[in-house]
Amino acid sequence: QKEVEQNSGPLSVPEGAIASLNCTYSDRGSQSFFWYRQYSGKSPELIMSIYSNGDKEDGRFTAQLNKASQYVSLLIRDSQPSDSATYLCAVNILSAERGANSKLTFGKGITLSVRP
Amino acid sequence: EAQVTQNPRYLITVTGKKLTVTCSQNMNHEYMSWYRQDPGLGLRQIYYSMNVEVTDKGDVPEGYKVSRKEKRNFPLILESPSPNQTSLYFCASRTGGNEQFFGPGTRLTVL
Repeated sequence: QKEVEQNSGPLSVPEGAIASLNCTYSDRGSQSFFWYRQYSGKSPELIMSIYSNGDKEDGRFTAQLNKASQYVSLLIRDSQPSDSATYLCAVNILSAERGANSKLTFGKGITLSVRP
Repeated sequence: EAQVTQNPRYLITVTGKKLTVTCSQNMNHEYMSWYRQDPGLGLRQIYYSMNVEVTDKGDVPEGYKVSRKEKRNFPLILESPSPNQTSLYFCASRTGGNEQFFGPGTRLTVL
């Protein structure tokens, strides 16, 4: 089983809709969870971080974490064409070799397209 | 400004010609990593460093070397580049379980 999995894309939504991006992880000891946005040819940039169960809202973005079910999701409300990008889920996974909180593992990403 | 810098941003080279991609961060981060990104394969970690003089292999270390002589610098060395190392490379840094900052990327083509 892969350590961090994101649902396969691409995902296409109309402008103004809610985009829902999901991510599951395998290690129950994971402590930190991040969503990055990456435009084509550019470096990933952090848009959300979440550390405890529940929802965290920042503007049009809401991250949701459920440690019991081992998933983290990102909701983008009122989607805009400028939100069209690849979204990467990243999880800080405990590693016996590296010590606690020292391995940041990325999913493969999902490409979101917002149609005008 | 807090940032991770990489140089060069673009590089075209030939098989077997040694090259170094530099990486520097000004945030006093302990952890630094190198990734390569290829279509359909996502970000794959090449090497990482937990502090000065402490480095270890990531998921795809073959053909690469790194060093961490100073906290701020983490160069990536390709002793004998091959065409399968053509990729987009990112350097990144972070502290512990906190957010990771990425450099702008280096697009490498090996002919």
